[in-house]
Amino acid sequence: DVKVTQSSRYLVKRTGEKVFLECVQDMDHENMFWYRQDPGLGLRLIYFSYDVKMKEKGDIPEGYSVSREKKERFSLILESASTNQTSMYLCASRERSETSYEQYFGPGTRLTVT
Amino acid sequence: AQKITQTQPGMFVQEKEAVTLDCTYDTSDQSYGLFWYKQPSSGEMIFLIYQGSYDEQNATEGRYSLNFQKARKSANLVISASQLGDSAMYFCAMREVRSNDYKLSFGAGTTVTVRA
Repeated sequence: DVKVTQSSRYLVKRTGEKVFLECVQDMDHENMFWYRQDPGLGLRLIYFSYDVKMKEKGDIPEGYSVSREKKERFSLILESASTNQTSMYLCASRERSETSYEQYFGPGTRLTVT
Repeated sequence: AQKITQTQPGMFVQEKEAVTLDCTYDTSDQSYGLFWYKQPSSGEMIFLIYQGSYDEQNATEGRYSLNFQKARKSANLVISASQLGDSAMYFCAMREVRSNDYKLSFGAGTTVTVRA
């Protein structure tokens, strides 16, 4: 079974703090993704990575950065957390394949910024 | 502009009955794909079913089937013989090609509550 894990299920941080959200996958997938989920908006792509040290902006990259130093690990960084970044964050990974398109998701991190 | 539209915020269905969740999409690409994911209250996203734009037959996976009407740009999910464990939020998503892979664009979701 593919497993995508995220470092925390719940996180509470203060405004202005630097926040790290970690994601690890164990299936040697090339591509990894970070989404945020908000009520009424579904999931929106923040960043994705298609190889170690390679990244591409998604639809809402402002206020976020990412790091991928190892293939299995993809980190989302909030440089200076703000209250409007309170949300559910979901990490996903997938095999780079022309025949398989499924993304496998982690359990999510519910972040509250106060 | 919204690319995936799910017009039903919430639905109730009686156990053992079928339910149809609506999804319409907007794209000018010839090659694309449509997914349905289930998100229970525990939060994880569970892949249910996939339909490619060139697939001639509607996708089916167990009790799930995707009613794909390309000309209408709709990709409705049908859940047959509903079970209490089907209570969850359901998301329709579309695969769009990007320079180094593809991205998923999600709808706002539909909450399904199955009644005993």
